[in-house]
Amino acid sequence: DAGVIQSPRHEVTEMGQEVTLRCKPISGHNSLFWYRQTMMRGLELLIYFNNNVPIDDSGMPEDRFSAKMPNASFSTLKIQPSEPRDSAVYFCASSWVAGGRETQYFGPGTRLLVL
Amino acid sequence: GENVEQHPSTLSVQEGDSAVIKCTYSDSASNYFPWYKQELGKRPQLIIDIRSNVGEKKDQRIAVTLNKTAKHFSLHITETQPEDSAVYFCAASKGDSSYKLIFGSGTRLLVRP
Repeated sequence: DAGVIQSPRHEVTEMGQEVTLRCKPISGHNSLFWYRQTMMRGLELLIYFNNNVPIDDSGMPEDRFSAKMPNASFSTLKIQPSEPRDSAVYFCASSWVAGGRETQYFGPGTRLLVL
Repeated sequence: GENVEQHPSTLSVQEGDSAVIKCTYSDSASNYFPWYKQELGKRPQLIIDIRSNVGEKKDQRIAVTLNKTAKHFSLHITETQPEDSAVYFCAASKGDSSYKLIFGSGTRLLVRP
């Protein structure tokens, strides 16, 4: 089992540029979660999908952030345009939501630095 | 919505001593409570979880207790070792169709050799 895969692992970009983060969940999992982690705000849930459908995007900070899940094995989180305050570690997590088996498995994260 | 508070924010113990981290939650409908360990520069990893129909669960040196009446749950680590040093997060979920986890703010545990 390869676990949750995220790319890139590190991203450095300039303010105003578009950033796209990618996630491949664990095969067979039906839920996918995007989190942002900073020292100031801790671990925040941005959005999650169930069976490829966005269920709750109330954590998305503003319209500059968007997420898609075109199929069960791929999701993207896009920031356009990026700002320095978006600098953080972005984690993707997946789980199999059924019968109380909702353990979330995290990917290695993408460390984003916006200059 | 659900709110999870975690204490203390930092905890320093001597190797071999016990460590206790406490969390409280606000939504009485929450019924799933996982604990994650995050080492420096690494991803959060599940170490133990408990559901509302159970009061206590143990896994070797780690145990979690749940008091649904008081809406709080705790992580207990016995015989601490330097490799236990990390940030620990508690979380709560209502276990409905969303299975949305609300995380506490984390506890930085330092085990002194």
